[in-house]
Amino acid sequence: GESVGLHLPTLSVQEGDNSIINCAYSNSASDYFIWYKQESGKGPQFIIDIRSNMDKRQGQRVTVLLNKTVKHLSLQIAATQPGDSAVYFCAEGSGNTPLVFGKGTRLSVIA
Amino acid sequence: DSGVTQTPKHLITATGQRVTLRCSPRSGDLSVYWYQQSLDQGLQFLIQYYNGEERAKGNILERFSAQQFPDLHSELNLSSLELGDSALYFCASSSLYNEKLFFGSGTQLSVL
Repeated sequence: GESVGLHLPTLSVQEGDNSIINCAYSNSASDYFIWYKQESGKGPQFIIDIRSNMDKRQGQRVTVLLNKTVKHLSLQIAATQPGDSAVYFCAEGSGNTPLVFGKGTRLSVIA
Repeated sequence: DSGVTQTPKHLITATGQRVTLRCSPRSGDLSVYWYQQSLDQGLQFLIQYYNGEERAKGNILERFSAQQFPDLHSELNLSSLELGDSALYFCASSSLYNEKLFFGSGTQLSVL
């Protein structure tokens, strides 16, 4: 079946550097994409979302990029801080189907 | 705080037993979703309810069932528990169909 996946299971970055977390999706019918952050012992927390009619969306220190041609989604975190250490999930959805989540990337920020 | 409340936070039980997980969605949200998260899997969608009616079903075992009540809270019932059912169970809610989900803090189920 179609699924959402992540290129890297772990990512270590230096504090203050920018982080890029990647995600590949295979369902060409997906029109809604979303990133979640999950800290240890907590539920996933919404970060940012984007619809397929856009290719870029910015939030506070975060940017999501969508490349529909290659079915690729990325989350950029500017000036990464220790508090950004968590597992990040991408998810895709379309119309009547519930969100499908990828397996997650663990981001570790090195002070 | 997402506004989604799940109880209990932790549950320890034995194989063969039955448990009920409870979820109160954010005020005004009509959709409730249940997800299972285990160490070697991501967030696996189990089931969705919208305004009291089942809307979508995912990888939910026949031993599991759920319902959404008129006050919109939901319960997930897990029966004939097996060791492999040990996982984090999350409830999420949304105001619109399949839009941004708000997750509760989960119920950690341990089957011994």
